[in-house]
Amino acid sequence: EIVLTQSPGTLSLSPGERATLSCRASQSVSSTYLAWYQQKPGQAPRLLIYGASSRATGIPDRFSGSGSGTDFTLTISRLEPEDFAVYYCQQYGNSLFTFGPGTKVDFK
Amino acid sequence: EVQLVQSGAEVKKPGESPKISCKGSGYSFTNYWIAWVRQMPGKGLEWMGIIYLGDSRTIYSPSFQGQVTISADKSISTAYLQWSSLKASDTAMYYCARTYCTGTSCYTKGLDYWGQGTLVTVSS
Repeated sequence: EIVLTQSPGTLSLSPGERATLSCRASQSVSSTYLAWYQQKPGQAPRLLIYGASSRATGIPDRFSGSGSGTDFTLTISRLEPEDFAVYYCQQYGNSLFTFGPGTKVDFK
Repeated sequence: EVQLVQSGAEVKKPGESPKISCKGSGYSFTNYWIAWVRQMPGKGLEWMGIIYLGDSRTIYSPSFQGQVTISADKSISTAYLQWSSLKASDTAMYYCARTYCTGTSCYTKGLDYWGQGTLVTVSS
């Protein structure tokens, strides 16, 4: 089973700043199967990025994804107040889906 | 409009066998599978399994195999999650979500629509 590790656990930033979130896999992951989600308190997760770098429908272009192999990154170019949330990466491989433990982006 | 509507919150006792549901609408179920995801209080997301409504093909996470049963009724575009015997540790929010799969292109577009979640509370 592929294990995903996310860092940092918590990222404390101010609105307008750039956020860089990391997702590392225990073995190589096809970029095709790497996705990112945002979850706010009391809400279901929302798909942000699929295929490592494709934005889902309606996702602002301040969100971008990159990476390959075992290292993937979600970047929020300029944080808006509504972006403070928990972010999860997720992969599919060997007939299994796995999620990372999440990175919380909170106010500095 | 695509919607996944889940059944309401459940409060159950240990040993009970609830069945929660997830009804899809606004899209063709033949091109999508439905996944179930657990979120324990204050914790992250855990994939439990996935089912194709068209023929009920199911894949389980090893962590949940034998602990739950995922099923479907394609006539009403609904997927189900059922427990054989609840434990207190099953207290969690359970989400369903759809993922595109057709031909050789499966699971490449992430879990793009999610249900609102069903809170299952297990207490004696």
